[in-house]
Amino acid sequence: QKEVEQDPGPLSVPEGAIVSLNCTYSNSAFQYFMWYRQYSRKGPELLMYTYSSGNKEDGRFTAQVDKSSKYISLFIRDSQPSDSATYLCAMRLFGNEKLTFGTGTRLTIIP
Amino acid sequence: GAGVSQSPSNKVTEKGKDVELRCDPISGHTALYWYRQSLGQGLEFLIYFQGNSAPDKSGLPSDRFSAERTGGSVSTLTIQRTQQEDSAVYLCASSLASGSTNEQFFGPGTRLTVL
Repeated sequence: QKEVEQDPGPLSVPEGAIVSLNCTYSNSAFQYFMWYRQYSRKGPELLMYTYSSGNKEDGRFTAQVDKSSKYISLFIRDSQPSDSATYLCAMRLFGNEKLTFGTGTRLTIIP
Repeated sequence: GAGVSQSPSNKVTEKGKDVELRCDPISGHTALYWYRQSLGQGLEFLIYFQGNSAPDKSGLPSDRFSAERTGGSVSTLTIQRTQQEDSAVYLCASSLASGSTNEQFFGPGTRLTVL
């Protein structure tokens, strides 16, 4: 079993819809949680970073962490075609620089 | 400013040959990471350099893989006697320093195909 599980999709939604992306993890020692966005043939870029249970909002993006359930989510409101990309969750232990990634969910926003 | 750059962008090689992949981190970044992205596998950590400290090599899959970082800047990942299962995108990232909020900035990757 992988340490981080993520549904690979693909996921297609109409423009303007709310998108929900999720990851579960098995190692309760993970302390830091991130969401990266990766466009085709590009490197991942950091979207959201959080380290506590609860919600963190940045514009149209909301990251949610539930440490008791070992479950994290990324919500995208008012989705745009430019949001079409692969979304990767990542997490890290305290004092360890190595990122452990999910497999990524491929998202397409249909105009 | 310039981001992380990697070369070559694509590399096709024959099984058994050695390859070298290069990473130029963002100027001033002391930490450098290599990851591998295989189809359906997500990104796997390979190795991490921080300043003059001994690198964390815990993610290297076999002794055919090695990496070095010269002068605290440019890094080279070397794969000896390549195998078909080495085919993947190799991504390099750099960050200002280690610590709780350090952001890793990724390069575009080198797509390696082993025939």
